Amino acid sequence: AQSVTQPDIHITVSEGASLELRCNYSYGATPYLFWYVQSPGQGLQLLLKYFSGDTLVQGIKGFEAEFKRSQSSFNLRKPSVHWSDAAEYFCAVAEGGYQKVTFGTGTKLQVIP
Amino acid sequence: NAGVTQTPKFQVLKTGQSMTLQCAQDMNHNSMYWYRQDPGMGLRLIYYSASEGTTDKGEVPNGYNVSRLNKREFSLRLESAAPSQTSVYFCASSQGRGGQETQYFGPGTRLLVL
Repeated sequence: AQSVTQPDIHITVSEGASLELRCNYSYGATPYLFWYVQSPGQGLQLLLKYFSGDTLVQGIKGFEAEFKRSQSSFNLRKPSVHWSDAAEYFCAVAEGGYQKVTFGTGTKLQVIP
Repeated sequence: NAGVTQTPKFQVLKTGQSMTLQCAQDMNHNSMYWYRQDPGMGLRLIYYSASEGTTDKGEVPNGYNVSRLNKREFSLRLESAAPSQTSVYFCASSQGRGGQETQYFGPGTRLLVL
């Protein structure tokens, strides 16, 4: 069964600092991988997704993620964090032909001045 | 376009009461989903509808029923609410049925069962 682990429950970074959020997945074949962001009181919004091809994926709001098959990881990065990036971030994995998407437990990002 | 809308935004129920959460999307999407979000557990799929006229159980369907009323609307019903159903409920939709599809989420319904 597919699964997703986000080892960091809460991360605090200073505005302007770089950010990396970790995501590890368990799945037999090449998965479909997603990062979603949830602002306070809102639903989830897609940041980026990976299906195949280039392992470095660019998303919205200046985010990128890198798929590393050898490490079963899909970490999210941003070179310079803005205060508006404070939110909760969810990694998700899915199988292409099936409906089920498995979400991680989320990482809450706090941005300090 | 409003995207995915959910009503109500907040609800307080007493144990044993029933209620229906409403969801509608205006993106002409085929698939719709209901999730619940609990602290430290991420999102868990309750039910989904791959297309109009079909519904299937997800990971945590017990205590819930759904109706895909038409292509736009997908409702979630709690027949006899329990405190364990206190949660935030999200409706989502996607164009297709495959796992590779991007899901678009509503703003959520916060439910408290006393």
